[in-house]
Amino acid sequence: AQTVTQSQPEMSVQEAETVTLSCTYDTSESDYYLFWYKQPPSRQMILVIRQEAYKQQNATENRFSVNFQKAAKSFSLKISDSQLGDAAMYFCAYRSGEGSNDYKLSFGAGTTVTVRA
Amino acid sequence: NAGVTQTPKFQVLKTGQSMTLQCAQDMNHNSMYWYRQDPGMGLRLIYYSASEGTTDKGEVPNGYNVSRLNKREFSLRLESAAPSQTSVYFCASSEATSGLIYEQYFGPGTRLTVT
Repeated sequence: AQTVTQSQPEMSVQEAETVTLSCTYDTSESDYYLFWYKQPPSRQMILVIRQEAYKQQNATENRFSVNFQKAAKSFSLKISDSQLGDAAMYFCAYRSGEGSNDYKLSFGAGTTVTVRA
Repeated sequence: NAGVTQTPKFQVLKTGQSMTLQCAQDMNHNSMYWYRQDPGMGLRLIYYSASEGTTDKGEVPNGYNVSRLNKREFSLRLESAAPSQTSVYFCASSEATSGLIYEQYFGPGTRLTVT
């Protein structure tokens, strides 16, 4: 399994401010996919954003955007205009794309985001 | 549209007991997965089924068995539960078409405690 590292166990952000979550990964592949999943207290895993490694343009979904640095093997998530509903654990995940027929994910340990009112 | 469903939602077992966790998806996905989630370790893959009729080990398969009953259902069995298997278990499914990026859809999870 590929190694995915999230070095920040916890992050705190003031409502309406911006927070950035870091993620690095270890791979020798050139074709792969990266994801950020959100897990609120309900425990449900929700896809936040995805990035194809062959795309240079960073993915954006409303208030969520990524900074994908392929050479540095870095994939950070920026949450802008933070809202109370953003409070959750966030997981970075990697999926191989080279000759893969199983599409399994490797997850980081997660970052717990707290939003202060 | 139910997506991915799991039963039960909670379970307490004694060491040595057996049980089967059930998972079903109604999205006609080819691939299904079982993960466990432990504090500080994220989700780890136990077993997966890339397509109906096939199953393969993931990162942490010891102590578990799986059955891909049909395209919809993928069960996880603990033959002799151990306290180390106390965890939250997630089932997921995804489409599997080469060259396209498909997300995995997760069930609500099963919290299992082994005493």
